[in-house]
Amino acid sequence: RKEVEQDPGPFNVPEGATVAFNCTYSNSASQSFFWYRQDCRKEPKLLMSVYSSGNEDGRFTAQLNRASQYISLLIRDSKLSDSATYLCVVLYSSASKIIFGSGTRLSIRP
Amino acid sequence: DGGITQSPKYLFRKEGQNVTLSCEQNLNHDAMYWYRQDPGQGLRLIYYSQIVNDFQKGDIAEGYSVSREKKESFPLTVTSAQKNPTAFYLCASGISRNTIYFGEGSWLTVV
Repeated sequence: RKEVEQDPGPFNVPEGATVAFNCTYSNSASQSFFWYRQDCRKEPKLLMSVYSSGNEDGRFTAQLNRASQYISLLIRDSKLSDSATYLCVVLYSSASKIIFGSGTRLSIRP
Repeated sequence: DGGITQSPKYLFRKEGQNVTLSCEQNLNHDAMYWYRQDPGQGLRLIYYSQIVNDFQKGDIAEGYSVSREKKESFPLTVTSAQKNPTAFYLCASGISRNTIYFGEGSWLTVV
């Protein structure tokens, strides 16, 4: 079993739709969680950190469920520019390893 | 401005050749990482280093080697033992303010 698992997609949704991704992790010692966005042939860029209480940044909402060991990303009112691959990132408490999910591809259609 | 510099951006390797990708950071980060990404795939950890003169294998270290003689530098050598090296390689350092810093990546192609 992979340490971090994501649904690879692709998710193909119309502009304005709400879309949600989940990411599960297997190591309960994992401490910090992030969502990164990666455009084609580019390096990943931080979208948002994920906090235990959940956090929101504009149209984006991230949630963490430690009991079930998953994090989620919700995108509301999706825009064409949201089309990208979204990577779930988990950091072990020792900060020795950063593990990336394989990414979820999102395509927003007009 | 602080950041990570990877070079070269594009690199071609002949069969049986070793090639080295450079990664330099001026962020004063202790930890540095190398990842490989294949088309349509996520990032897989090759090697990481938490401190100078120390490094650990990641999930796909076979066919690769690294060194960490200086805090700022973490070069990756793709050896001839790596049978399928064509991929996108990313260097990262972190963690500062809960952010991982990435280089712009290097595209390696076997010719």
